[in-house]
Amino acid sequence: GAGVSQTPSNKVTEKGKYVELRCDPISGHTALYWYRQSLGQGPEFLIYFQGTGAADDSGLPNDRFFAVRPEGSVSTLKIQRTERGDSAVYLCASSSLAGGSTDTQYFGPGTRLTVL
Amino acid sequence: QQQVKQSPQSLIVQKGGISIINCAYENTAFDYFPWYQQFPGKGPALLIAIRPDVSEKKEGRFTISFNKSAKQFSLHIMDSQPGDSATYFCAANTHSGSRLTFGEGTQLTVNP
Repeated sequence: GAGVSQTPSNKVTEKGKYVELRCDPISGHTALYWYRQSLGQGPEFLIYFQGTGAADDSGLPNDRFFAVRPEGSVSTLKIQRTERGDSAVYLCASSSLAGGSTDTQYFGPGTRLTVL
Repeated sequence: QQQVKQSPQSLIVQKGGISIINCAYENTAFDYFPWYQQFPGKGPALLIAIRPDVSEKKEGRFTISFNKSAKQFSLHIMDSQPGDSATYFCAANTHSGSRLTFGEGTQLTVNP
């Protein structure tokens, strides 16, 4: 079966531009997570969706970052007015159950964002 | 605030040797401790996980040891193989929340 997919795999943009990153979770997974991984670091939590709603968005660094999941499946992470410090790998993960602590989170390959 | 601290940052072992990676946590509300393996250009993949009600869990060549009183846990890779060369992350989350808090990672190299 298909795992978590993310598009694009690489995105290069200029400072100040708007970008959208897409995540396609494993079919049937109700929980979806976004993380950001800087070079040489562990992933850092951004936002968690349970169904269509954001259950926890406390990891979003500022109001330039926004994410949606309108139909409870595909999610899009949106970054406005990109800055060089936004350069990182953006990881998406999904899990199958109600979002309890022991649900395995399955990660996609990530989108590498480079802001010039 | 780094809630999960991981060491060493890098580790080199010979084929057949034992690789040991250590993590310490601060948040006593954590109650699930997974280890993830990440290859270059790939997302992290769950390797093995433990709950604090047991002190050890073994799956094949991989063992987690857990010390609740010391708030520490470690990953042991027995009979390390060159194919185990990857970056390993410990992580933790709480029962009531779903975000994973990751350690900084350990880059493991197993020489043939």
